[in-house]
Amino acid sequence: QKEVEQNSGPLSVPEGAIASLNCTYSDRGSQSFFWYRQYSGKSPELIMFIYSNGDKEDGRFTAQLNKASQYVSLLIRDSQPSDSATYLCAVRTRRVNNNDMRFGAGTRLTVKP
Amino acid sequence: AAGVIQSPRHLIKEKRETATLKCYPIPRHDTVYWYQQGPGQDPQFLISFYEKMQSDKGSIPDRFSAQQFSDYHSELNMSSLELGDSALYFCASSSLRISGNTIYFGEGSWLTVV
Repeated sequence: QKEVEQNSGPLSVPEGAIASLNCTYSDRGSQSFFWYRQYSGKSPELIMFIYSNGDKEDGRFTAQLNKASQYVSLLIRDSQPSDSATYLCAVRTRRVNNNDMRFGAGTRLTVKP
Repeated sequence: AAGVIQSPRHLIKEKRETATLKCYPIPRHDTVYWYQQGPGQDPQFLISFYEKMQSDKGSIPDRFSAQQFSDYHSELNMSSLELGDSALYFCASSSLRISGNTIYFGEGSWLTVV
């Protein structure tokens, strides 16, 4: 089992719809959770991070964390074609040095005009 | 704001050759990470450094080595290159004091082994 798993894509939504991206992780002691957006051939760009259970909203983006279920999600409201990218879920695992990040395989999102 | 700087951006090498990638972290960031991302793959953690000392090791092949220098820049050395080493190599940096647990990525270095 991979440490971080994301719902398989690709995901296609019409412009203006809500896109829902899901991620589960295996290390129950994980503390920090991140969503990165990556355009093809570009570096991952941080969208949001969340540390506490519940929802965290930033503009059109909402991250949701449920540590009991080891689940983190990203909702994109009013999806735009420019949101079309691969979204990477990343988890800071609680290791001795706590210095590395584990990534999911990514979910490819396409927003159709 | 200054970002993570990587060089070169593109590199083409032949099998069995050696390549060196450089990374300049965000100023005052004390931790540097190296990731490898193959085509269609998620980023794989290779190695990290904190305050110029190796802090964690991931799936870095024995043919690869890295270090962080006194000015905090880091270099990833890859020897006996294989076709499978062709990938996008990301450097990232962070500072618990400045950016919390957030890691910021450079633009990446494309390595093609032919």
